[in-house]
Amino acid sequence: DIQMTQSPSSLSASVGDKVTITCRASQSITTYLNWYQQKPGKAPKVMIYGASNLQSGVPSRFSGSGSGTDFTLTISSLQPEDFATYYCQQSYTSPYSFGQGTKLEIK
Amino acid sequence: QVQLVQSGAEVKKPGASVKLSCGASGYTFTSYYMHWVRQAPGQGLEWMGIINPSGGSTSYAQRFQGRVTMTRDTPTRTVYMELSSLGSEDTAVYYCARSSGHQVWELWDYWGQGTLVTVSS
Repeated sequence: DIQMTQSPSSLSASVGDKVTITCRASQSITTYLNWYQQKPGKAPKVMIYGASNLQSGVPSRFSGSGSGTDFTLTISSLQPEDFATYYCQQSYTSPYSFGQGTKLEIK
Repeated sequence: QVQLVQSGAEVKKPGASVKLSCGASGYTFTSYYMHWVRQAPGQGLEWMGIINPSGGSTSYAQRFQGRVTMTRDTPTRTVYMELSSLGSEDTAVYYCARSSGHQVWELWDYWGQGTLVTVSS
């Protein structure tokens, strides 16, 4: 099975900051990498798919990059509604594993 | 609009089984695969398996093989997930999530609201 490792596990930032979350796969997944946002008590929401494709309706301040084993999610200017937990997920092969999550908190 | 509506919270004793439902509306039910994902309290997301509502074929994560069964009822546009031999470690919120149907990428674009299953003696 492919293991996904995110860093950091938690991150404190302020509104307007630029933040980057990284995700590493235990083997190459080319660009089969998705990013999900989850708020407390809610279902996850897909933000980025195929490593760098913005899901419809997601603000352009979100971007993704990477290929192979190393990926990043960047939020260019944090907004209050962006404070949540973010998960990377590989969709290269079953079982479709997730990273452990990065909790983005308000500083 | 696309909606996935899951059944209500369950409390089960260890060793019991639970069967959850996920009712779909707003799209062609048989055209989109459905996944089940669970999340233990304060923990991350764990993929359990997938069902093709068209033919009913399934694929399960190895760790749930033999304990999980996913089925669908096409007339009612509902998918089900049954998990047996429950233990305390199965206490979690269970989500159904629709595969987007993208020709290249596998992403899950609509999710149910989640069903909390509590396993306790």
